[in-house]
Amino acid sequence: EPEVTQTPSHQVTQMGQEVILRCVPISNHLYFYWYRQILGQKVEFLVSFYNNEISEKSEIFDDQFSVERPDGSNFTLKIRSTKLEDSAMYFCASSLSRGGVYEQYFGPGTRLTVT
Amino acid sequence: GESVGLHLPTLSVQEGDNSIINCAYSNSASDYFIWYKQESGKGPQFIIDIRSNMDKRQGQRVTVLLNKTVKHLSLQIAATQPGDSAVYFCAENGDYGQNFVFGPGTRLSVLP
Repeated sequence: EPEVTQTPSHQVTQMGQEVILRCVPISNHLYFYWYRQILGQKVEFLVSFYNNEISEKSEIFDDQFSVERPDGSNFTLKIRSTKLEDSAMYFCASSLSRGGVYEQYFGPGTRLTVT
Repeated sequence: GESVGLHLPTLSVQEGDNSIINCAYSNSASDYFIWYKQESGKGPQFIIDIRSNMDKRQGQRVTVLLNKTVKHLSLQIAATQPGDSAVYFCAENGDYGQNFVFGPGTRLSVLP
């Protein structure tokens, strides 16, 4: 069964450093998403991406964040200058369509620890 | 498995019993709802969805009920099994269609 993959599984970085979290969505999917889950809290939407541009973003997704689909398979989330409060699990998801079933397939997540 | 909450409401059920997990959603504009299961150390996994033009939808061993009047969603799991132990989240699509808002989650523990 096809699945969303994410690398690395765990990233430790120092405050102020840039990090890039990588995702390989399911190959025939068209919509891509990033979510985060701070320890002990609920899953929060960050951004959705379609046709090589951001379609929706939340208030969390400020200028420190960016997303990119650099090639036909990868989907990345960049945090330009990490803060302690960016420590969380980051989940990538993808879905085939938007107008019908929104079924989003989630990856296993990347745990980001900012020290 | 640190990705799930430490202070979640917990529902404990005996193996074989039915489970009912409840969720109150916040936005009356939401027209699409999903239940997710999150096992320890994994990402959320789609279980079942329902649109606002329905009040009930059944899947394999799961049923989702939607009450738009009181903005309430429930997930019923029949004959609960040990593999059902996980945190369950409801999510609503809110004002923008894809900006899914997740609920706080309920931890389901299945007792042998």
